Amino acid sequence: DQQVKQNSPSLSVQEGRISILNCDYTNSMFDYFLWYKKYPAEGPTFLISISSIKDKNEDGRFTVFLNKSAKHLSLHIVPSQPGDSAVYFCAASIVSYQKVTFGIGTKLQVIP
Amino acid sequence: NAGVTQTPKFQVLKTGQSMTLQCAQDMNHEYMSWYRQDPGMGLRLIHYSVGAGITDQGEVPNGYNVSRSTTEDFPLRLLSAAPSQTSVYFCASRGGGSGANVLTFGAGSRLTVL
Repeated sequence: DQQVKQNSPSLSVQEGRISILNCDYTNSMFDYFLWYKKYPAEGPTFLISISSIKDKNEDGRFTVFLNKSAKHLSLHIVPSQPGDSAVYFCAASIVSYQKVTFGIGTKLQVIP
Repeated sequence: NAGVTQTPKFQVLKTGQSMTLQCAQDMNHEYMSWYRQDPGMGLRLIHYSVGAGITDQGEVPNGYNVSRSTTEDFPLRLLSAAPSQTSVYFCASRGGGSGANVLTFGAGSRLTVL
């Protein structure tokens, strides 16, 4: 049972345009959400997070939106740059528990 | 700071062989964990530890063993390797405070079981 779903395995975007990566979850107990970025042959690195008490968190070019009623979150990258080309993992956790659940990832390609 | 260090980076085993993937962190993090990454499956939690002497199972613990004798080290043991354990393995840790929910990952260990 996949509790965190990333339904788009890949996404191509022109440099300078907006990239929107989507994530859905099924467990309503999740109260903290994160996005990780992964380059080939490297480990995932933390990008941005959001608590369930918020609906938006912004960090530079990256913004995460959370819609609790729809159990949906999205990552917006504006403007997209070629260096953003990577696999992006959505993750969710219950803060009082010790486990983080990851989606299968979306491969973003930013075309120069 | 080295962060999370995994060794080896690459390993080829034959079915039935045993080996240990090493993981060390120098951030004094209490929480450490092991994930495996497979195509179409994302990152799946194998085992985790909330402190020295304490370990617990994740989603896919079968075939793997862990122990936590120190805060710094969290080795993952494959007792009798199977082709289904061919994967990329990531060790991750996290501390407390404002970073309590953010995992720091190692660079990964690619394991092939023939």
